[in-house]
Amino acid sequence: LAKTTQPISMDSYEGQEVNITCSHNNIATNDYITWYQQFPSQGPRFIIQGYKTKVTNEVASLFIPADRKSSTLSLPRVSLSDTAVYYCLVGPANAGNMLTFGGGTRLMVKP
Amino acid sequence: DSGVTQTPKHLITATGQRVTLRCSPRSGDLSVYWYQQSLDQGLQFLIQYYNGEERAKGNILERFSAQQFPDLHSELNLSSLELGDSALYFCASSVGRGAGTGELFFGEGSRLTVL
Repeated sequence: LAKTTQPISMDSYEGQEVNITCSHNNIATNDYITWYQQFPSQGPRFIIQGYKTKVTNEVASLFIPADRKSSTLSLPRVSLSDTAVYYCLVGPANAGNMLTFGGGTRLMVKP
Repeated sequence: DSGVTQTPKHLITATGQRVTLRCSPRSGDLSVYWYQQSLDQGLQFLIQYYNGEERAKGNILERFSAQQFPDLHSELNLSSLELGDSALYFCASSVGRGAGTGELFFGEGSRLTVL
């Protein structure tokens, strides 16, 4: 399984755009990149998933360069409620894989 | 509400005891995953079941065991409990065998405290 590296923590202010980058240098051809959000004492919640280029949904965008060795989660105009831990996961879609959550990035949004 | 139900929400027990945590996956989901999260730690993958069969194993201790029943609910059994087993235990489910695509849906967790 591809190992991921994310910043341990980030600070931002309300209304700003936040970009969290994840490095996954040994990503495999059949690996997908998935981001989850976790609030204290709650289970993680799926945010977005992609394989290459750019993916956008109603809450975030995911940018993946051509070499796929990194990815960037972009949160537009964050609010206080976006304060959470964000996990980047890389894994294959085939049977039997297990998703490993790393330490994640603790995002603190300030007023 | 993710659709994944975990019971009990809170559990306090003593060292050496045994507990069982229960998980009901989302309707239609065949895979169940168990994760452990200690205080201020990331989620540690324990084990995955798909349609009743063990599919993948992570860092699960020999004192821990799990199974998935024909109705697809799952139970995680923790025995000979130690203080270090105190943690949040999450169950997640997904439709398919692998979670590389699509979503994992997590329950609200079972908080175990071992005294």
